[in-house]
Amino acid sequence: KAGVTQTPRYLIKTRGQQVTLSCSPISGHRSVSWYQQTPGQGLQFLFEYFSETQRNKGNFPGRFSGRQFSNSRSEMNVSTLELGDSALYLCASNREGVDEQFFGPGTRLTVL
Amino acid sequence: DQQVKQNSPSLSVQEGRISILNCDYTNSMFDYFLWYKKYPAEGPTFLISISSIKDKNEDGRFTVFLNKSAKHLSLHIVPSQPGDSAVYFCAASGYTGGTSYGKLTFGQGTILTVHP
Repeated sequence: KAGVTQTPRYLIKTRGQQVTLSCSPISGHRSVSWYQQTPGQGLQFLFEYFSETQRNKGNFPGRFSGRQFSNSRSEMNVSTLELGDSALYLCASNREGVDEQFFGPGTRLTVL
Repeated sequence: DQQVKQNSPSLSVQEGRISILNCDYTNSMFDYFLWYKKYPAEGPTFLISISSIKDKNEDGRFTVFLNKSAKHLSLHIVPSQPGDSAVYFCAASGYTGGTSYGKLTFGQGTILTVHP
């Protein structure tokens, strides 16, 4: 069974630009969560989607948004990029009702 | 407010010995705990989990212990192998206000180095 896939793996953007990251969950997993990992803050929860609906959101500004499609694939978008948005963005999927989340390899975003 | 803490940034052990990684939490509403292993440039890999109704769960070389009264959990790796060298994260889930869907709260991680 294929794992969680994320594209692209690496991105370099400049301040003020926007970026879209993509995530394909494990087949059969309908819940997709996004996390940001930085050296200073560790792994922090961004949001969770299930059946195309955002069910939970972490403490991030509105510049961070996401969506989920009918095939459970998810995208997250960051608008008006800031230097502090440089991070590893991780996507995870899980079966409904199961806490174990399985992570993709992440997208390394660098904002210059 | 860091609700899940791993107070040891690093741990070094000899191959074949036991590795003990510790994690403390402050929110008594957490009811499920997980351990992940992470290599550089990869996403975290799920290792083992434990529900708050248990105090021990074992899977091969990995055992997780939960002490609810102390709000403490630990991961034991026996015997340790050089391939176990990685960053280990503990994570917790449970109702913490609002909704809890999909949210894992992670500790800061412990770098484990197993020397041959």
